[in-house]
Amino acid sequence: GAVVSQHPSRVICKSGTSVKIECRSLDFQATTMFWYRQFPKKSLMLMATSNEGSKATYEQGVEKDKFLINHASLTLSTLTVTSAHPEDSSFYICSARDRDRASNYGYTFGSGTRLTVV
Amino acid sequence: RKEVEQDPGPFNVPEGATVAFNCTYSNSASQSFFWYRQDCRKEPKLLMSVYSSGNEDGRFTAQLNRASQYISLLIRDSKLSDSATYLCAVMSAGGYQKVTFGTGTKLQVIP
Repeated sequence: GAVVSQHPSRVICKSGTSVKIECRSLDFQATTMFWYRQFPKKSLMLMATSNEGSKATYEQGVEKDKFLINHASLTLSTLTVTSAHPEDSSFYICSARDRDRASNYGYTFGSGTRLTVV
Repeated sequence: RKEVEQDPGPFNVPEGATVAFNCTYSNSASQSFFWYRQDCRKEPKLLMSVYSSGNEDGRFTAQLNRASQYISLLIRDSKLSDSATYLCAVMSAGGYQKVTFGTGTKLQVIP
């Protein structure tokens, strides 16, 4: 089945530093990947759509200069949280769909990254 | 109105019970529909896709009602291991086919 690998699973960083999160599709190619964040006991909120070879599409209210997304290949998307602040502490999770499968196969999620900014 | 709405629960049911969740969506042009299961502090995992004709997978049955814009999930003979949060998800038509999630419904199956 489709597998998405996300790293790191957990990171603690100091305020003001940047953190990069990687999302890889291991056995399929993904033209599009999605980045979500989830606060405790809250829903998954779509942050941006990552498109291979082009700029990401950000949801309203998400700062593109703060959350940098790069989708350099059909199997890798990265999210960089720049100048992190404590309010950026959250669970970040990516998802991808096999481009060669119909939409009703749904999306596969990475295991998520728990970011804590101190 | 939220794009996707669910009753957050929690639903506390005894083992062996049948439980049903509903989810409504606002965009009538939505293309595909799913139920995901999320365990505490874990990533969501696809439970099943939802079709207009209804689909069943063991104890789980999903249904889509396009006219009323809702999807449902029925779990029969609940097991303790079914305890989790169930998220409905709606995929938009066209474009990048982004998926929007409901807030999730928490299910607790009690011995």
